[in-house]
Amino acid sequence: GAVVSQHPSRVICKSGTSVKIECRSLDFQATTMFWYRQFPKQSLMLMATSNEGSKATYEQGVEKDKFLINHASLTLSTLTVTSAHPEDSSFYICSASNGGPGTETLGTTEAFFGQGTRLTVV
Amino acid sequence: GEDVEQSLFLSVREGDSSVINCTYTDSSSTYLYWYKQEPGAGLQLLTYIFSNMDMKQDQRLTVLLNKKDKHLSLRIADTQTGDSAIYFCAEYSSASKIIFGSGTRLSIRP
Repeated sequence: GAVVSQHPSRVICKSGTSVKIECRSLDFQATTMFWYRQFPKQSLMLMATSNEGSKATYEQGVEKDKFLINHASLTLSTLTVTSAHPEDSSFYICSASNGGPGTETLGTTEAFFGQGTRLTVV
Repeated sequence: GEDVEQSLFLSVREGDSSVINCTYTDSSSTYLYWYKQEPGAGLQLLTYIFSNMDMKQDQRLTVLLNKKDKHLSLRIADTQTGDSAIYFCAEYSSASKIIFGSGTRLSIRP
């Protein structure tokens, strides 16, 4: 199946610094990538949707200046948490999608997920 | 609006069947998914069903969809200890987003 690689898997950073998380689709072209945040024992909250070559669409309540998303190519999207604070500590998961409903390439519209990044801000 | 709901916990005895239920609100959803998340890991797509199907079976997994009631269920036959995880129901909504439920934590009793 399709593979999405997310890096790093764990990162600890000091308060006030910035952290970049990478999400790569390894064997397919991801027209759309999603970034999610998961709080402990809670569901995934969609932060933003990015399409290659265009600006990301942020969900309500997500600060676009704080969570910078770049989707420069069909295989790479990055999320940069700027001026991180302890409340930004969370599990961040990316997913890459092969297209909209009806896409036949992989039999269905599927979103393949990275393994997640555990961010701890101290 | 888009909303997906599922119960938070389920405990079953090893060898029994597990049934995890989910309800959603977007009647225009085209695909509905079940994902599994093991501790500290990302999500693994278990199975999916297209909205014009009622049932899909894949080895030990059976997905039932009642589109009229917007109800989706996942049945795991012969539940094993390795099935312990959080199971997320998700829909591909009319807004072209994947919306997740809160996740059901499945625990297995010996």
